[in-house]
Amino acid sequence: QVQLQESGPGLVKPSETLSLTCTVSSYSISSGYYWGWLRQPPGMGLEWIGSIYHSGSTYYNPSLKSRVTISGDTSKNQFSLKLSSVTAADTAVYYCASTPEYYYGSGRTSYYFDYWGQGTLVTVSS
Amino acid sequence: QSALTQPASVSGSPGQSITISCTGTSSDIGDYNYVSWYQQHPGKAPKLIIYEVSNRPSGVSNRFSGSKSGNTASLTISGLQAEDEADYFCSSYTSTSTLVLFGGGTKLTVL
Repeated sequence: QVQLQESGPGLVKPSETLSLTCTVSSYSISSGYYWGWLRQPPGMGLEWIGSIYHSGSTYYNPSLKSRVTISGDTSKNQFSLKLSSVTAADTAVYYCASTPEYYYGSGRTSYYFDYWGQGTLVTVSS
Repeated sequence: QSALTQPASVSGSPGQSITISCTGTSSDIGDYNYVSWYQQHPGKAPKLIIYEVSNRPSGVSNRFSGSKSGNTASLTISGLQAEDEADYFCSSYTSTSTLVLFGGGTKLTVL
């Protein structure tokens, strides 16, 4: 079973860059799947931030695209999120999650998230 | 305002059945069978309970079922149990550049 774990600072100052890493266990990120980031502001709903395909292709929510970078490190079996110019509105629990593809290399997916990390709260405050 | 519309809350007594609706448009739920549902207990990560409208992942109780009609998807929980009390979120692929939409979530209370 795929296991994911987020890590990174819990407090980021306004205008700075939020950086998080997701470490994947029991599955190689280069063996398939899309690897994504989502967030949930306190007491609110979920928002998809973006995903990276095992080939390295990236897909971002247009509402955040200008500020987001998702990258992968296959040597460490990790993928990362960078969100620049943060404001208080970016305060949220950030989750990493996996999205399966129909078969390896197809790229075809049903856009659901089957495995999730436990989430990490990131607060934007001075 | 979320892109998919869910009722803020529903409630039911143990043993009863409840249904949570999720309304979208022809750009998402109406035209694609890529609807998924997630259960989230307080302080926990979301858990996938339905994918591709009506499929259950291995290990998910068959008390959970999903369906779709037109632009509206539905999650039905039968034989309600205390442990079902949680927030439920729907999600769908969208043909717009956003790719993935979520509903605002529905709080289920087991009376």
